[in-house]
Amino acid sequence: DAEITQSPRHKITETGRQVTLACHQTWNHNNMFWYRQDLGHGLRLIHYSYGVHDTNKGEVSDGYSVSRSNTEDLPLTLESAASSQTSVYFCASSESDRAETQYFGPGTRLLVL
Amino acid sequence: QKEVEQDPGPLSVPEGAIVSLNCTYSNSAFQYFMWYRQYSRKGPELLMYTYSSGNKEDGRFTAQLNRASQYISLLIRDSKLSDSATYLCAIQGAGSYQLTFGKGTKLSVIP
Repeated sequence: DAEITQSPRHKITETGRQVTLACHQTWNHNNMFWYRQDLGHGLRLIHYSYGVHDTNKGEVSDGYSVSRSNTEDLPLTLESAASSQTSVYFCASSESDRAETQYFGPGTRLLVL
Repeated sequence: QKEVEQDPGPLSVPEGAIVSLNCTYSNSAFQYFMWYRQYSRKGPELLMYTYSSGNKEDGRFTAQLNRASQYISLLIRDSKLSDSATYLCAIQGAGSYQLTFGKGTKLSVIP
């Protein structure tokens, strides 16, 4: 069955370190998204991509970057982790002609000490 | 003003109750309106979507859209323990693949 996976599921890191969160989908979807979810803020869009080599900033993109070298993967990099980036991160994907349906991964819990 | 506002809850209801979850939105250009359900420590999953004013039913769930008043609601009938989750409303603009989410309402259905 097609799916979307994230790794690692849990990560503890120190401030100032570079961290990369992986997202892999097997649906061959063009659209991929990264969100963070925090109490009191809900899901907020970090970055998104509509295809290979396409990346765009979302609502809370400062301190994050993404690159899209193939259809299946959209890794999220925290250039220099900060305590404010402690959160749960979700990756999602959608088809271009069914964009109202986003499929979410299981999430990565990141703690920055 | 946020583009989408959602009643924060939390809500606690007995089994069998009828529950109404509500969101309002500020931009009349939004095209699609979704309800996602998120169980604890899981990713959100699409429950229902609608794009026309009126009601859309799926089993015990009814999504209501009122474009004139710019609000959406999710009605859950005959609540079950398995309905305990956080419900997120989401909206999509015309020509955009992005979704804007409400903050979510945590629902607990108690025996």
